[in-house]
Amino acid sequence: EVQLVESGGGLIQPGGSLRLSCAASGFTVSSNYMSWVRQAPGKGLEWVSVFYSGGSTYYADSVKGRFTISRDNSKNTLYLQMNSLRAEDTAVYYCARDKYSGYDFYGMDVWGQGTTVTVSS
Amino acid sequence: EIVLTQSPGTLSLSPGERATLSCRASQSVSSSYLAWYQQKPGQAPRLLIYGASSRATGFPDRFSGSGSGTDFSLTISRLEPEDSAVYYCQQYRTFGQGTKVEIK
Repeated sequence: EVQLVESGGGLIQPGGSLRLSCAASGFTVSSNYMSWVRQAPGKGLEWVSVFYSGGSTYYADSVKGRFTISRDNSKNTLYLQMNSLRAEDTAVYYCARDKYSGYDFYGMDVWGQGTTVTVSS
Repeated sequence: EIVLTQSPGTLSLSPGERATLSCRASQSVSSSYLAWYQQKPGQAPRLLIYGASSRATGFPDRFSGSGSGTDFSLTISRLEPEDSAVYYCQQYRTFGQGTKVEIK
């Protein structure tokens, strides 16, 4: 079964750091484009970062310089290292698999259940 | 930067009625990159439509997507109680703000 399971969320003080994990099963993370998407309480979806199969990484302007996406191929796991956290980073963080057909982006077809990050003193 | 504007914000309809949700882009976008998601309370989003009009696995044919250029729409032809959810459109890395569909 194709599945993503996130972990690592929690309550953290402003300025602190947290690392989220996203363990995949049923497919290979390194062969796919993998994204992090977040959703603040009561708000919509916001794309955060992507790790391309070839190794390139991209970030939303709101997290650039503070967040780092990475992967461990041996563990088939995607990570999001979050530093200098702010109250506005409070959200449910989802990892998701990008669906492509050739060069055409066809959305995100596999999502984890999400992990909650709360930044508060 | 592309902005996606969804309307209406909330749609309240009865079972069996037709729902039409709009997603308007601030500039012309590729239909190939236009997706729709369904999100129910407490759940992760679920891919519903991709390539503007192709239905994802597991969704019935009463869900359909259409559009091109800057104007896209999601239609639910005959609403069922389980269609109550928030629907988001997405163009590559940008999401719309969502339309909440309520079933009376």
